[in-house]
Amino acid sequence: DQQVKQNSPSLSVQEGRISILNCDYTNSMFDYFLWYKKYPAEGPTFLISISSIKDKNEDGRFTVFLNKSAKHLSLHIVPSQPGDSAVYFCAASARNTGNQFYFGTGTSLTVIP
Amino acid sequence: DGGITQSPKYLFRKEGQNVTLSCEQNLNHDAMYWYRQDPGQGLRLIYYSQIVNDFQKGDIAEGYSVSREKKESFPLTVTSAQKNPTAFYLCASSRGKDSNQPQHFGDGTRLSIL
Repeated sequence: DQQVKQNSPSLSVQEGRISILNCDYTNSMFDYFLWYKKYPAEGPTFLISISSIKDKNEDGRFTVFLNKSAKHLSLHIVPSQPGDSAVYFCAASARNTGNQFYFGTGTSLTVIP
Repeated sequence: DGGITQSPKYLFRKEGQNVTLSCEQNLNHDAMYWYRQDPGQGLRLIYYSQIVNDFQKGDIAEGYSVSREKKESFPLTVTSAQKNPTAFYLCASSRGKDSNQPQHFGDGTRLSIL
């Protein structure tokens, strides 16, 4: 059973506009959430994370929002750049699972110049 | 530079053959992980290890084996019992189970069946 879900397999956005990637989870014990960026034939690169005690974390053009009541998190990229085109994975973990991470299926973002 | 090194980048296996994928890290991380990625799917956990000489099965451990004799190394053997081994394999490491820290990944090994 998929505990972390990314329901949009792909997203296209114009350069300079906002990209919003969404992620839902089912396990209320998750207390740490992350976003990774992945290019083809490479490993995922850590982008940004958020602890369950916060509802927002910002790092440059990237902001992650967490809505615990809805079990939903999102990644906002503003402004989007062509170099942001990649597959984005969200992941979640809970301390009582020994830091085992659960990954979504990914969203392929294309930023159109 | 600290990081995770996976080798080889591409690997071919004959039917009935065992193959071993290498993963080395110099980040001084306690925990190491092996994932498998198939097209259109997320990363699925095969095995993980929180400390040397100890490891646990993940969600899809059947047909795989691992060892953790050194902190820096976590090799994965894909045995002949794994009926569908063609996939992209990713190794990761993190500081340990008691810390909210991200996992860092290697660049992966693509395994194909001849």
